[in-house]
Amino acid sequence: AQKVTQAQTEISVVEKEDVTLDCVYETRDTTYYLFWYKQPPSGELVFLIRRNSFDEQNEISGRYSWNFQKSTSSFNFTITASQVVDSAVYFCALSEGYSGAGSYQLTFGKGTKLSVIP
Amino acid sequence: DTEVTQTPKHLVMGMTNKKSLKCEQHMGHRAMYWYKQKAKKPPELMFVYSYEKLSINESVPSRFSPECPNSSLLNLHLHALQPEDSALYLCASSQVGTAFNQPQHFGDGTRLSIL
Repeated sequence: AQKVTQAQTEISVVEKEDVTLDCVYETRDTTYYLFWYKQPPSGELVFLIRRNSFDEQNEISGRYSWNFQKSTSSFNFTITASQVVDSAVYFCALSEGYSGAGSYQLTFGKGTKLSVIP
Repeated sequence: DTEVTQTPKHLVMGMTNKKSLKCEQHMGHRAMYWYKQKAKKPPELMFVYSYEKLSINESVPSRFSPECPNSSLLNLHLHALQPEDSALYLCASSQVGTAFNQPQHFGDGTRLSIL
């Protein structure tokens, strides 16, 4: 069963518009972590944020903000006043626990491709 | 600039060739990962090394052979690959510990094409 769902495959917005990327997750663990990564065309996955299951505070970092709601198992990502440089594929990911010896596995959603049009 | 360095950035090889992908990090991370990513798909985990020991092998074919010679380096040896192995190969590293909240830091990847 898919554990991380990003229902929006592609989104296009005009520069300066706000855009929200949705992420819904599924887990039976009470302790887990959620992440957002950005992948520009160059290929590198850039870490944006992590959130643990006990911290439902929303977070803002510049033009980026995240809304974590355990009641709906969602961890949505909003970009305010979008810019062309925001064009990328954004992945939401879940880590649920040990893979052994201190490492862990990330379960990625399928990603949302964001295109910001000038 | 990324703190995880992968070489080469692009690689074209025939099905009978032997080549290696290299990954290096100097962040003191003791967990390192190989992922395979096909176009328009999320990364798929292949291998995990923790304290230089292989801890996860996600049923990857034996034509892919990982190696972790020291805490900073991770190699992926390739032999007799198939056209379907063409993909972006990503390396990542993270801290280890009792908490699994450490973000993985990724390199730029190697774009591999099998002829």
